[in-house]
Amino acid sequence: AQKITQTQPGMFVQEKEAVTLDCTYDTSDPSYGLFWYKQPSSGEMIFLIYQGSYDQQNATEGRYSLNFQKARKSANLVISASQLGDSAMYFCAMSSRNTPLVFGKGTRLSVIA
Amino acid sequence: ETGVTQSPTHLIKTRGQQVTLRCSSQSGHNTVSWYQQALGQGPQFIFQYYREEENGRGNFPPRFSGLQFPNYSSELNVNALELDDSALYLCASSPRTGRTDTQYFGPGTRLTVL
Repeated sequence: AQKITQTQPGMFVQEKEAVTLDCTYDTSDPSYGLFWYKQPSSGEMIFLIYQGSYDQQNATEGRYSLNFQKARKSANLVISASQLGDSAMYFCAMSSRNTPLVFGKGTRLSVIA
Repeated sequence: ETGVTQSPTHLIKTRGQQVTLRCSSQSGHNTVSWYQQALGQGPQFIFQYYREEENGRGNFPPRFSGLQFPNYSSELNVNALELDDSALYLCASSPRTGRTDTQYFGPGTRLTVL
């Protein structure tokens, strides 16, 4: 069965600093996708970034980058130049050909001015 | 915003009642998935609909059922509500049924069962 582990229940970061949110995963499928979503207090899940298991390069989307280490089964999210609006819950998720989207328990990020 | 809409925003029901939640998918998306998110947890997959047929189901009892319409909008129905059904219900759409396709979420419906 697929599993996502996020070991940081909460993180604090100073405004304009970079922060790394950890995510490890477990799957036996050779082909899978890894996702990060942001959930503000309003509740909507906002898609941030995607990494395919066969992608050779780490994904980047603006201030977001995904540090993909396949052998270690980790897919950490790096947010550069943190902003106050980045304060939210962040979820790592994965899916594969045979299984639907599975989420971790999330990390609450608080950006301090 | 993703273009995925859900209604209603909030809902309060009592135990044993039935509820219907609605979702309109993003234009061009033919696949809709439903998730239940309990307080302090990540979303849990309920089921997925592709071209009006159920295309995968999570570990939820049969009293959770759904529909997808020709315009790809969808409904989630929950019968015989229980207190533990209190949660945020999220709908997500994607352009294809490929499991690794990115899913785009709506704002959710917050259901409270008393």
